[in-house]
Amino acid sequence: QKEVEQDPGPLSVPEGAIVSLNCTYSNSAFQYFMWYRQYSRKGPELLMYTYSSGNKEDGRFTAQVDKSSKYISLFIRDSQPSDSATYLCAMSRNGANSKLTFGKGITLSVRP
Amino acid sequence: DTAVSQTPKYLVTQMGNDKSIKCEQNLGHDTMYWYKQDSKKFLKIMFSYNNKELIINETVPNRFSPKSPDKAHLNLHINSLELGDSAVYFCASSQVASGRASDTQYFGPGTRLTVL
Repeated sequence: QKEVEQDPGPLSVPEGAIVSLNCTYSNSAFQYFMWYRQYSRKGPELLMYTYSSGNKEDGRFTAQVDKSSKYISLFIRDSQPSDSATYLCAMSRNGANSKLTFGKGITLSVRP
Repeated sequence: DTAVSQTPKYLVTQMGNDKSIKCEQNLGHDTMYWYKQDSKKFLKIMFSYNNKELIINETVPNRFSPKSPDKAHLNLHINSLELGDSAVYFCASSQVASGRASDTQYFGPGTRLTVL
């Protein structure tokens, strides 16, 4: 079993849909949780960062962490074609600038 | 201005060859990383250097040797290339000395390596 499991894809939704992306993990030492977005043929870029359990909202994006269930989610409201990308969850013990363990990534396509 | 740059962008080579990938960052960061992303988009850390000192060395064949001539550069040399080395290799950098856990890693555009 991998340390971080991410829902398999790909995922295709119509424009305006609410998207839910999920990851589970097995290592209880993880304290920092991130979502990266990767456009085709580009490097990943940090989208959301959270520490420990709770919710964090940034515009149309909400990150949710439930440490008791070892489960994290990223919600995208009013999805746009520009949201079409691969989304990777990542986790670490010591912060966004330390060793990151990534999920497999899920490719999202938002249809106009 | 490119924050993290890698050369070359594409690399096609034969099995058994030796090749190098170069990475440079102009962000003034103290830590640099090499990641490998396979064909299924799985991204895994290989190495990390902090101020030219190796701090993360994952289970990677010793055919892979990183080298950091200074804080702004981290190169990856691969000996005796194998078919399974075909992947996209990403360099990243971050500032660790700040002590802020939220300081993110910035990724380069990747080097797509194809071994024939």
